Amino acid sequence: DAMVIQNPRYQVTQFGKPVTLSCSQTLNHNVMYWYQQKSSQAPKLLFHYYDKDFNNEADTPDNFQSRRPNTSFCFLDIRSPGLGDAAMYLCATSRVGDRGYQETQYFGPGTRLLVL
Amino acid sequence: RKEVEQDPGPFNVPEGATVAFNCTYSNSASQSFFWYRQDCRKEPKLLMSVYSSGNEDGRFTAQLNRASQYISLLIRDSKLSDSATYLCVVRYGGATNKLIFGTGTLLAVQP
Repeated sequence: DAMVIQNPRYQVTQFGKPVTLSCSQTLNHNVMYWYQQKSSQAPKLLFHYYDKDFNNEADTPDNFQSRRPNTSFCFLDIRSPGLGDAAMYLCATSRVGDRGYQETQYFGPGTRLLVL
Repeated sequence: RKEVEQDPGPFNVPEGATVAFNCTYSNSASQSFFWYRQDCRKEPKLLMSVYSSGNEDGRFTAQLNRASQYISLLIRDSKLSDSATYLCVVRYGGATNKLIFGTGTLLAVQP
């Protein structure tokens, strides 16, 4: 059974048209991450939520925003997609224990975004 | 300098061959180390964690040398199904607890 679910799997949008990608999890993990992966490159962390606390990476463009309305769901909003934002967007989850120990990150299947 | 560096390959090997991948990391404060496998157009999946004492899982052996900041993965008796990109991954400790990925090494096992 899928534990980290991403929808849609493929998304086509127009240059400048806002788009939202969604991620849900059945693991009850307290941390959710969004990564961007371009062709032949490493996954790059955009931001993560530790419970309700949002943690943005220093080099993540303002064009990228995120929402986590509850434990199970997390959204990635791209306010004005550019051609350079075409990539695979990966959601991951993990549990961080009381002493800060982080367990394995589980990845969703990704959403492949195409910007026309 | 990249935080995690890998030879991108491709490594083209025949079935049954033994192949080794190497990885170096720049941050000496790194606390945990992993190898992930990523198939074409799929998500990364954890292959194995890497410990200083070395660890083995079937045909796969991982080694960590903290002094040299070097990680390796050895695959014995390669199968066609081992063809994938192998990502070297480092986790920092402290408040960030985030993963840093290498760009991956592409392995193509040929019949």
